[in-house]
Amino acid sequence: AQTVTQSQPEMSVQEAETVTLSCTYDTSESDYYLFWYKQPPSRQMILVIRQEAYKQQNATENRFSVNFQKAAKSFSLKISDSQLGDAAMYFCAYRNTGNQFYFGTGTSLTVIP
Amino acid sequence: DTGVSQDPRHKITKRGQNVTFRCDPISEHNRLYWYRQTLGQGPEFLTYFQNEAQLEKSRLLSDRFSAERPKGSFSTLEIQRTEQGDSAMYLCASEGLGSATQYFGPGTRLTVL
Repeated sequence: AQTVTQSQPEMSVQEAETVTLSCTYDTSESDYYLFWYKQPPSRQMILVIRQEAYKQQNATENRFSVNFQKAAKSFSLKISDSQLGDAAMYFCAYRNTGNQFYFGTGTSLTVIP
Repeated sequence: DTGVSQDPRHKITKRGQNVTFRCDPISEHNRLYWYRQTLGQGPEFLTYFQNEAQLEKSRLLSDRFSAERPKGSFSTLEIQRTEQGDSAMYLCASEGLGSATQYFGPGTRLTVL
């Protein structure tokens, strides 16, 4: 069974600084997708970034980048130049070949002005 | 395209009553997913459709839960004989063919008294 673990229930970062959110997962599959979703207080989940397991290059989206370590089954999210609008709950998610998604328990990010 | 919509946004009901939620996916998205999210947790997969066919159901989906997507467009999730443990946010997400990325609706918050 696939599981996703986010070991940091809460994180904080100073505005304009960099923060890294951790995620590990367990799977026996070799082909899968990994995602980071953001859920602001309004509760609608928004896709932040996506990584295909077969790609060695780490995905980047503007200030957001990932460190994908396939052998270690690790998928961390780095937010650079943190902004007040980045404050939210962040969920790591895994998608298997059967099109099912598994989410971690989330990391609540606070941005300090 | 206005994204995934869900109706109602909030529902308060008494224990034992039946409730039905609706999800309208992004147009032409052939996959539609239902999740349940409780406070402090990530979304938990309930079921998903490819077009009108229900392809996967979680064991979390008891006999009191039923979902339909009769014409391959909108979907409904019905909970019969609601229990207090059913109180949660019910999220819908849709995905286009070959996309591998889900887009979430705002959710329906259910409170069972």
